[in-house]
Amino acid sequence: EVQLVESGGGVVRPGGSLRLSCAASGFTFDYYGMTWVRQVPGKGLEWVAAIDWNGDSPSYADSVKGRFTISRDNAKTSLFLQMNSLRAEDTAFYHCARNAGSGTHSRWFDPWGQGTLVTVSS
Amino acid sequence: EIVLTQSPATLSLSPGERATLSCRASQNINIFLAWYQQKPGQAPRLLIYDASKRATGIPARFSGSGSGTDFTLTISSLEPEDFAVYHCLQGDNWPPTFGQGTKMEIK
Repeated sequence: EVQLVESGGGVVRPGGSLRLSCAASGFTFDYYGMTWVRQVPGKGLEWVAAIDWNGDSPSYADSVKGRFTISRDNAKTSLFLQMNSLRAEDTAFYHCARNAGSGTHSRWFDPWGQGTLVTVSS
Repeated sequence: EIVLTQSPATLSLSPGERATLSCRASQNINIFLAWYQQKPGQAPRLLIYDASKRATGIPARFSGSGSGTDFTLTISSLEPEDFAVYHCLQGDNWPPTFGQGTKMEIK
């Protein structure tokens, strides 16, 4: 069974940092690009960042560029999101998702993990 | 960035009825639109990709249509488990963007 499980969320003060992880299983991880999408509770979805199969060509939403870094460890079948200089508006569930192919760009994402909640509050 | 507008925001229907959900793009996205279903506390589930292709394991009562700027998700006969939030996603133009969602509730 293809599975993605996020971890690392929590409560952090504005200006703080968190590192999210996504453990992948049930498929050949290094065949696929990967993506992070966030969702404010009860609201819509926002694409955050994506990376290709080899860890090259990362891409970021303007809202997080310069603050967030996406990376992966294919040997450990894991995806990461390093989040620095966090703001209140970064509060959301963060989902990892598998791209349709090996590249950074993807026309859809499937499957998704259930998400980990990040709360930025003083 | 392409804006996707979903309508209606909320759709109140009964089991057995037909549901028609709309997603309109602010510019031409060819056929590169996907639909997702999301239930409370769960991850979004891919239903349709490339406007009309059903994802693996998705029942035949779900169908997608459209191209260019206007897209439709149709559920031919609602089952109780279909009451959820539905999102559309465009993958034609980077960055990918989502609609604001349509909540389907039991009437």
